[in-house]
Amino acid sequence: DVKVTQSSRYLVKRTGEKVFLECVQDMDHENMFWYRQDPGLGLRLIYFSYDVKMKEKGDIPEGYSVSREKKERFSLILESASTNQTSMYLCASSHITGTGTRWSNQPQHFGDGTRLSIL
Amino acid sequence: SQQGEEDPQALSIQEGENATMNCSYKTSINNLQWYRQNSGRGLVHLILIRSNEREKHSGRLRVTLDTSKKSSSLLITASRAADTASYFCATGKGGATNKLIFGTGTLLAVQP
Repeated sequence: DVKVTQSSRYLVKRTGEKVFLECVQDMDHENMFWYRQDPGLGLRLIYFSYDVKMKEKGDIPEGYSVSREKKERFSLILESASTNQTSMYLCASSHITGTGTRWSNQPQHFGDGTRLSIL
Repeated sequence: SQQGEEDPQALSIQEGENATMNCSYKTSINNLQWYRQNSGRGLVHLILIRSNEREKHSGRLRVTLDTSKKSSSLLITASRAADTASYFCATGKGGATNKLIFGTGTLLAVQP
């Protein structure tokens, strides 16, 4: 079974702090994703990475950055935490199948989430 | 941007009954996926249906896809209390990056 591990289940930080959320997957997946989940808004994509050192912005990247130095690890960084970043953060990974123009979506595998509170 | 919208937002049924959830989306897709999320946990993939498929089964789950109406439904038969969770649809356009767009979910409560 694929295992996606997020470093903390619960985290409390203060406004202005630099916050690191870590995610590790053990299935050699090429793609990794960071989402935030808020009531009534569903999952929103913050950033994703399709290879080591490669990253692309999702729908809500403002106030966040990411790092992928190794294939199995994808970190989300809150540069200067603010109260509106209080949320549930979910990491996911997935495999790539297909070639050329015939890429096909694969299931995403999620960690258990980090519930982050910014005071 | 929201692609999938689930309906209803919340559903309460008795154990043994069937539960049906619907998902509508706006643009063309390569595939549609359904996920389950237990309270306070991550999402778990349930089933994937490709745009050239109309129906798919997995155990007590049945998914239909109507690309002409841009809609999908998830049917859970003979529900159990353990099925209590939020259910999300997610649409994919294909592509190497495997991006999905998730809906806002249906909260299903199965009463014992």
